[in-house]
Amino acid sequence: AQSVSQHNHHVILSEAASLELGCNYSYGGTVNLFWYVQYPGQHLQLLLKYFSGDPLVKGIKGFEAEFIKSKFSFNLRKPSVQWSDTAEYFCAVNAPGSARQLTFGSGTQLTVLP
Amino acid sequence: DTGVSQDPRHKITKRGQNVTFRCDPISEHNRLYWYRQTLGQGPEFLTYFQNEAQLEKSRLLSDRFSAERPKGSFSTLEIQRTEQGDSAMYLCASSSPTSGISTDTQYFGPGTRLTVL
Repeated sequence: AQSVSQHNHHVILSEAASLELGCNYSYGGTVNLFWYVQYPGQHLQLLLKYFSGDPLVKGIKGFEAEFIKSKFSFNLRKPSVQWSDTAEYFCAVNAPGSARQLTFGSGTQLTVLP
Repeated sequence: DTGVSQDPRHKITKRGQNVTFRCDPISEHNRLYWYRQTLGQGPEFLTYFQNEAQLEKSRLLSDRFSAERPKGSFSTLEIQRTEQGDSAMYLCASSSPTSGISTDTQYFGPGTRLTVL
């Protein structure tokens, strides 16, 4: 069974600080990886995804993530956060060709102070 | 593309009552998913449809839960004899397979927040 761990439950940063949110997954085969974001009062939105190819993927709003297969990790990064990045961030995984469902981590609440 | 819509957005019910939620996926998306999210947790998979066929069900989906997608378009999720533990946000997502890739991207609706008193 797949599982996803997000070790940082709440991160507080000042504007312009750099961000890295950790995501580790447990699954023995090929995986697809996603980061979703939920802004206050809004629904889950896709930030970026990795299916195959270049392990460094770029998403919307200046976010990027790097897939490191040997570490079973897919950490989310942004060089300079803004107050508007305050949101909850979820890492998710699924296995292509078999189970369709996404397995989510428990989320990281990011608060950016102006 | 108006996105995934869900109705109602909020539902308050008394324990033991039945409730039904509706999800309208993005038009022409043939895959539809239901998830449940409780406070402080990520969404948990409940069930998945491809067109009108229900292909997967989580063990979280007790026999009090039933989901349908009769014409392969909208879906309903019914909870019978609700319990306080059913209080959660119920999320719907839809997707359409990307040509040549054996996976796809799920787009989520705003959710229905259920409170069982």
